[in-house]
Amino acid sequence: EPEVTQTPSHQVTQMGQEVILRCVPISNHLYFYWYRQILGQKVEFLVSFYNNEISEKSEIFDDQFSVERPDGSNFTLKIRSTKLEDSAMYFCAALGSYGYTFGSGTRLTVV
Amino acid sequence: AQSVSQHNHHVILSEAASLELGCNYSYGGTVNLFWYVQYPGQHLQLLLKYFSGDPLVKGIKGFEAEFIKSKFSFNLRKPSVQWSDTAEYFCAVNAPVGRRALTFGSGTRLQVQP
Repeated sequence: EPEVTQTPSHQVTQMGQEVILRCVPISNHLYFYWYRQILGQKVEFLVSFYNNEISEKSEIFDDQFSVERPDGSNFTLKIRSTKLEDSAMYFCAALGSYGYTFGSGTRLTVV
Repeated sequence: AQSVSQHNHHVILSEAASLELGCNYSYGGTVNLFWYVQYPGQHLQLLLKYFSGDPLVKGIKGFEAEFIKSKFSFNLRKPSVQWSDTAEYFCAVNAPVGRRALTFGSGTRLQVQP
């Protein structure tokens, strides 16, 4: 099964700082997703991205979040001003004919 | 809106015991159903999925699940667990129309004791 690569694997940032989480999805896929998992809680949908625009977003995905695919390869999630409660594992996923493939995640720790 | 309930939050079994993890969903239309496993420190991996057809679905590592439409359930089973099955298990659903995102249950932590 092809991989979805996420970088960094772990990022520590100070509250109020901006972070960018990167994902390199499978190249011939069109649908991409960001999910997050706060420690000990369930995986939550953040946003889906299709044809270079947001196709669906959850109530979690407020104005501090943004996504883009600037170069047709990397798929990024930006958090403009991080809060303590943004500490979580962030997963990127790509949708193909065989279903969803998840990346290994980025653990974001806001201090 | 879709929702998924996993009633077993933490299950402890001995090796060779049988496993059944409950999953119920709430949605007014046709759904696709999934079970994912997350081993400690790793990403989500697909165990099995149901789109249509035979409601008894077989997945990897000896897991299977049965879709019972009348009960809105998709329980995961394995006849004999191993220590290596220790992980978190997530049930998920999505609507087959469009490219809808997955809605996950809260997960069940399975601990298998040797």
